[in-house]
Amino acid sequence: DTGVSQNPRHKITKRGQNVTFRCDPISEHNRLYWYRQTLGQGPEFLTYFQNEAQLEKSRLLSDRFSAERPKGSFSTLEIQRTEQGDSAMYLCASSRGQKDRDRLNYGYTFGSGTRLTVV
Amino acid sequence: QKEVEQDPGPLSVPEGAIVSLNCTYSNSAFQYFMWYRQYSRKGPELLMYTYSSGNKEDGRFTAQVDKSSKYISLFIRDSQPSDSATYLCAMSGTGGFKTIFGAGTRLFVKA
Repeated sequence: DTGVSQNPRHKITKRGQNVTFRCDPISEHNRLYWYRQTLGQGPEFLTYFQNEAQLEKSRLLSDRFSAERPKGSFSTLEIQRTEQGDSAMYLCASSRGQKDRDRLNYGYTFGSGTRLTVV
Repeated sequence: QKEVEQDPGPLSVPEGAIVSLNCTYSNSAFQYFMWYRQYSRKGPELLMYTYSSGNKEDGRFTAQVDKSSKYISLFIRDSQPSDSATYLCAMSGTGGFKTIFGAGTRLFVKA
């Protein structure tokens, strides 16, 4: 297993265009998370999946944002009608479920992120 | 007020120094406390994980949690230039699925 993979690494788009990012988590991890990080700030929670179910969405995730995780495997994050304020690093992470977490070392494994620039 | 407060630095120390990084938090429901290291243009990497109060040591790194004061610390002994990175504190509640991060402290270790 090569860890959490995110594609593309960089995306430059014009304001108003739609973009889609992909995340492939560690195969045995059933939890998947999306975070957004801007310069000088820590990651901010966007949404979380347990298997294919999206269990929580942040208020940061406006109607222009949608995330899916079909079949509980890879996930996609789509941003419609991009705005300059959407420019950020979008991070995906995965982790084990709660039972394993309590016994094993808990924490996320992050991907390298997708850096979005809206011009 | 943010749930997690962390001094952004930068913090500059000579090689071999002991580094102390700290965070305070306001949510008493937090039970899991973590430290991540982030190099430039990379995703965060988990360094230390602690459940509830107490200390945990791993090589040159020691994590401390004081829930009564809502204060967590990371100590780095014999710091190396390769330790130069941003250090993020992070914490979550018993549900465990949503982790809240501090803003990160930028550390520079000078050779």
